This record gives sequence, structure tokens and C-alpha cells, in this order.
Amino acid sequence: NAGVMQNPRHLVRRRGQEARLRCSPMKGHSHVYWYRQLPEEGLKFMVYLQKENIIDESGMPKERFSAEFPKEGPSILRIQQVVRGDSAAYFCASSPQTGGNTEAFFGQGTRLTVV
Amino acid sequence: GDSVTQMEGPVTLSEEAFLTINCTYTATGYPSLFWYVQYPGEGLQLLLKATKADDKGSNKGFEATYRKETTSFHLEKGSVQVSDSAVYFCALSDSNTDKLIFGTGTRLQVFP
Repeated sequence: NAGVMQNPRHLVRRRGQEARLRCSPMKGHSHVYWYRQLPEEGLKFMVYLQKENIIDESGMPKERFSAEFPKEGPSILRIQQVVRGDSAAYFCASSPQTGGNTEAFFGQGTRLTVV
Repeated sequence: GDSVTQMEGPVTLSEEAFLTINCTYTATGYPSLFWYVQYPGEGLQLLLKATKADDKGSNKGFEATYRKETTSFHLEKGSVQVSDSAVYFCALSDSNTDKLIFGTGTRLQVFP
């Protein structure tokens, strides 16, 4: 049973380009969370999705950022017109359900560098 | 809103020393509490958790007790090893959505 798979592991984009980050949850997991980790900081919640639905996007910047989790395929975090401040590690986590007693499993992250 | 505060690092110890990393939280309701560990270049791994007051989470020699009266969840280990060198994150989970709120992390460096 493979863990949470994120790709690419490293992504370099020039300012103004688009970045697409992919996350395949663990088998049987229908809940996906995206977090951002700025250098030397903790992880900040961005968005929580279930299949085809955004449940909580309170941590997402209002512009340029979007996320989806289609019925088939991985969850995608999309950043349009990237800026230097978007450089960070983006982590995806998945869980089979919610309820406060459910462990979330993390991927190894995508490290985005904007040049 | 909910928040987590943990002691700043780095924490530098010799092998076999006693470890404490302090963590306090602010939350409405009754969150679950977690410690995650992040090794260099890797994602986060769950180290231990506690879901209600007075619960003790333990794993790999690490322990933490959910203290509601002091809103704390301090991480302890009696004898650290060089391989414990990593960044440790305290976190709480929202009871409805399970989204995690993290502290800023504490870097632990253990020297032989």
C-alpha cells in the first residue's frame, strides 16, 4: 500500500508562470489536505477537499491559488502567475475519514522555487 | 482562533540526555493533540497523539500527556539518540474537519 504520493518533488518556475502540484492520496482515502511550509516556519493549512468538493478553503490566498480533487485522478494544487513569495514546500496529507481521532498521512512534499 | 505555541529551537543535547519540548495550545472545544517529526528533506511523520484530557501518547521512547488544566502537551524522552535529530511539530486538530494547526516547530540536534 503506497503512501501519499506527491509530484514533482522539486519544481522550479519563473515569475509569472503556472505551477501545478499533484497529490495522490493513500488507497481508500477520500480526504485530502494541502499545507504550505515557508522556510524555517511551521505548516499552514491551505485547503481541505473531499472527492469533487472543497470543504474548507479558509487558508487559501484569495487570488492565483486553486485546488481540486476530481472523481478520478490526483488532487491538484494550482498556482497561477507565481511570485517569489510562493517559494515554499507544499505538503499534501490524506485520511480515510474525519472525526478527531483519525491520523493524516503526509506526502514528502513538493518544493517550489520561483526564480 | 485555535493556535499552538511551542518552544523555539534549536535544542542542542548530548546523546542520552533528557529531552523536553514545551507545547501549549489555545482551542475552543476538545481538540486532539499530536506531535509530528520531520527529518531533513522529508515529509511529516506522526510521532504520537492524544485524543482527550489525561491521555498519554507514546512511541519510540517519546511521551506526551494531554493536560487540559494547563493546556499543554509537552514532549519528553528520557534518553535521546543522534538519530532523533529532526524538527518536531506540535499540532492540534479541528474536531469537525480534522485540519491540523501546527506550531512553528522545534529543531533538535543531538551530538554524540
